[in-house]
Amino acid sequence: AQKVTQAQTEISVVEKEDVTLDCVYETRDTTYYLFWYKQPPSGELVFLIRRNSFDEQNEISGRYSWNFQKSTSSFNFTITASQVVDSAVYFCALRGGIYNQGGKLIFGQGTELSVKP
Amino acid sequence: DAGVTQSPTHLIKTRGQQVTLRCSPKSGHDTVSWYQQALGQGPQFIFQYYEEEERQRGNFPDRFSGHQFPNYSSELNVNALLLGDSALYLCASSFSGRGAYNEQFFGPGTRLTVL
Repeated sequence: AQKVTQAQTEISVVEKEDVTLDCVYETRDTTYYLFWYKQPPSGELVFLIRRNSFDEQNEISGRYSWNFQKSTSSFNFTITASQVVDSAVYFCALRGGIYNQGGKLIFGQGTELSVKP
Repeated sequence: DAGVTQSPTHLIKTRGQQVTLRCSPKSGHDTVSWYQQALGQGPQFIFQYYEEEERQRGNFPDRFSGHQFPNYSSELNVNALLLGDSALYLCASSFSGRGAYNEQFFGPGTRLTVL
């Protein structure tokens, strides 16, 4: 079975603090893909990053960084120097590999981040 | 370049009625997926359409059906509405071409309320 767990339901920080959103996944596939999406109050899911299972290199994009560790089945997301505009619900998602022809995404429950000024 | 569009934005129906939601994919995309997102939950995969056929389906009853048109746009139909069908319905499009990573791009969603 495939599953994504985001244990943090809500996180509240003050602007300029660093914050890490946790994501743990389960899959039996040897090839799979992990994603992070941002959902602002408007509702539209905004794609942030894709990571392939065969590439454990961490990635940094501006204030965002992602830590992928296959040994612990985790794909954590860190926002450095958070801003009020970062307030949203963040979803981690998993897509299986070669047997998942359609490419359905399995989402976690989401983490609601509130950044206060 | 227009992104994924969905209509209507909001919809209110009563139990037992039927509803049709519409989605136009991002330019260049040929695959459409539908997700249901209940309040406070992550999106749940309903089904995916490619080449006008249902290619993959999640754990949803037959009351949920869909269609894809030759221009790649898609409809989601829900019959015999239940209160539990109240949710945000998200459409996502992607390109199926070989070598593509098939990232799914989401529309703004249709908020369905069943009374």
